[in-house]
Amino acid sequence: GAVVSQHPSRVICKSGTSVKIECRSLDFQATTMFWYRQFPKQSLMLMATSNEGSKATYEQGVEKDKFLINHASLTLSTLTVTSAHPEDSSFYICSARVHTRSSYNEQFFGPGTRLTVL
Amino acid sequence: GNSVTQMEGPVTLSEEAFLTINCTYTATGYPSLFWYVQYPGEGLQLLLKATKADDKGSNKGFEATYRKETTSFHLEKGSVQVSDSAVYFCALSGQGGNQFYFGTGTSLTVIP
Repeated sequence: GAVVSQHPSRVICKSGTSVKIECRSLDFQATTMFWYRQFPKQSLMLMATSNEGSKATYEQGVEKDKFLINHASLTLSTLTVTSAHPEDSSFYICSARVHTRSSYNEQFFGPGTRLTVL
Repeated sequence: GNSVTQMEGPVTLSEEAFLTINCTYTATGYPSLFWYVQYPGEGLQLLLKATKADDKGSNKGFEATYRKETTSFHLEKGSVQVSDSAVYFCALSGQGGNQFYFGTGTSLTVIP
């Protein structure tokens, strides 16, 4: 099946620094990737949709200047949390959409990145 | 619009008990429906899916049937195990698959 990886799996940083999270599709090309945020004991909240070669589409309430998304290739999307603050601490999950006959409309999720901002 | 309403937890069951987690949805058109499972500290894993009405998704003893008449996709398992302890998310994907809508998740704890 389609595999999506994320790096790093955990990151701890100081307030004010920037953190980059990578999302890779390992065995398929993903024209569309999605970034979610999950607060403790809550569901996933879609932050943005990332399309290869174009600007990301952000959901309402998500600051595009704070959460920079780059989808430079068909297998890599990055999320950079700029000037991170403790309230940005969360679990960030990416997913990639696959369109095949057996996987129509399915998204494959990465294992997530736990960000802790001190 | 599209939305998913999921039974609130937490749910605690004894090993070998019967499990039902309710999920209903609101959607335009013909969505695909999914159940994802999240083990502690990990990302989401697809448990099962159904892409059209009356389809039954099944995996690892879990099953769910896409009921268009009741707009439901309830998750069931006849005999749960301790290893089934996790958070379960119901989700739908609208036509075109551009966005997933997740339920709030149901935490399941199975005790020996």
